[in-house]
Amino acid sequence: DGGITQSPKYLFRKEGQNVTLSCEQNLNHDAMYWYRQDPGQGLRLIYYSQIVNDFQKGDIAEGYSVSREKKESFPLTVTSAQKNPTAFYLCASSSARDTTPLHFGNGTRLTVT
Amino acid sequence: DQQVKQNSPSLSVQEGRISILNCDYTNSMFDYFLWYKKYPAEGPTFLISISSIKDKNEDGRFTVFLNKSAKHLSLHIVPSQPGDSAVYFCAAGGTASKLTFGTGTRLQVTL
Repeated sequence: DGGITQSPKYLFRKEGQNVTLSCEQNLNHDAMYWYRQDPGQGLRLIYYSQIVNDFQKGDIAEGYSVSREKKESFPLTVTSAQKNPTAFYLCASSSARDTTPLHFGNGTRLTVT
Repeated sequence: DQQVKQNSPSLSVQEGRISILNCDYTNSMFDYFLWYKKYPAEGPTFLISISSIKDKNEDGRFTVFLNKSAKHLSLHIVPSQPGDSAVYFCAAGGTASKLTFGTGTRLQVTL
C-alpha cells in the first residue's frame, strides 16, 4: 500500500531542544510539504520541496529547517528558535502536476514543555 | 490575512438530510479548490476538487459548487451519514504546491 508515514505519532521535548520529525513516502511523488495545525486555525505551510535537494519556505518557516536528500524523505527539524513549537505537524506529498491533490500523513503531535 | 475563510466553526445535521459547508476566498488568482475531511489525530483525506473553469463537480454523495463572482464555494453532502462526522477543510490555490487552507468546519451528523 502506498502512503505517507510520519513518525513518531506523539513526541515530547523540553524547551530549548531541537527535535526532528520524520516523513517518508512511497508514492513516488516529487513534491513534499510540511504543514502545521493549531486549534481553531487552518493548516499553515511551513516548507515545501518540489524536487530533491531543493526546498522553499512557506508562510511560517521561521524556527524550522528541512532537508530533501532523497525523493522519499523530507524530515522537519523544529529548532529552539521556534517560539510556539507545540502543535500538530502534517506532512504531505503530491505529484508535480499542478492540479493534483495533496496526500497527507497521519501527523505528529509535538508537545514542548 | 485570511485568504480562505470558513465562517461556521461547526454544523449539526440530522442523518439523511443535506449538509452544506461553505467557504469564501479573497484571492482572485485562486483557480483550484479542494475539500478535505479530517478525523481527530489523523491527516486530512482528499474529498473532491473543482477548477475555476467549472461551477459544479459531483462525486457520489458529494457535490462542490463554485461561484467565482462571489468568490464562494460550498460542499453539499446528500444524504448525510454518521460517518461523515468530521472536520472539513476547504483549500484554494493557484497551483497545488501553494494551497491555502480554511480554518475548518466541524460537522456532526446526528441520528
